[in-house]
Amino acid sequence: QKEVEQDPGPLSVPEGAIVSLNCTYSNSAFQYFMWYRQYSRKGPELLMYTYSSGNKEDGRFTAQVDKSSKYISLFIRDSQPSDSATYLCAMSAGGGTSYGKLTFGQGTILTVHP
Amino acid sequence: DAGITQSPRHKVTETGTPVTLRCHQTENHRYMYWYRQDPGHGLRLIHYSYGVKDTDKGEVSDGYSVSRSKTEDFLLTLESATSSQTSVYFCATGTESNSPLHFGNGTRLTVT
Repeated sequence: QKEVEQDPGPLSVPEGAIVSLNCTYSNSAFQYFMWYRQYSRKGPELLMYTYSSGNKEDGRFTAQVDKSSKYISLFIRDSQPSDSATYLCAMSAGGGTSYGKLTFGQGTILTVHP
Repeated sequence: DAGITQSPRHKVTETGTPVTLRCHQTENHRYMYWYRQDPGHGLRLIHYSYGVKDTDKGEVSDGYSVSRSKTEDFLLTLESATSSQTSVYFCATGTESNSPLHFGNGTRLTVT
């Protein structure tokens, strides 16, 4: 079983919809949680970065972390065609020996159609 | 993209040949990483570096070696390329041990 599980989709929604993307994980040592967006033939770009449990909001994006359930979510409000991309969750244990190594989910392909 | 340049962007090579991929950064970040991305597997860590000449293995390091002789350059070498190493390779950098990573735009490698 993978340490991080992410539904690969694909997910197709109409413009303006609220999108919910999710990851579950098994390693209780994970403390740092990230969401990356990746456009076709490009590298992943950081969308959200959170530490421990709680919510974080940035514009149309909200990240939630529930460490007790080992579950993280990314919500996209008022989705736009430009949000069409692959969304990757990533996490790390932190601490001096982690050296920033990230464990990724396999990514969810999202298409927002006009 | 935090000033990360990967070269080449595309390469086709034959089984058994050595291949070196280069990552160059202009941000003076201490930490550098090589990941590979494959369908169904997401991004998997190959090797990483936490300083000049300081490197260590990641999750899928077999068949790969790395070197970092300068802060700005991190080289990934496939000693004898195999078809299973056909993939997209991403370099990433980080400022601190727990900072989020910044990625380059990848090298698409095909081993025939």
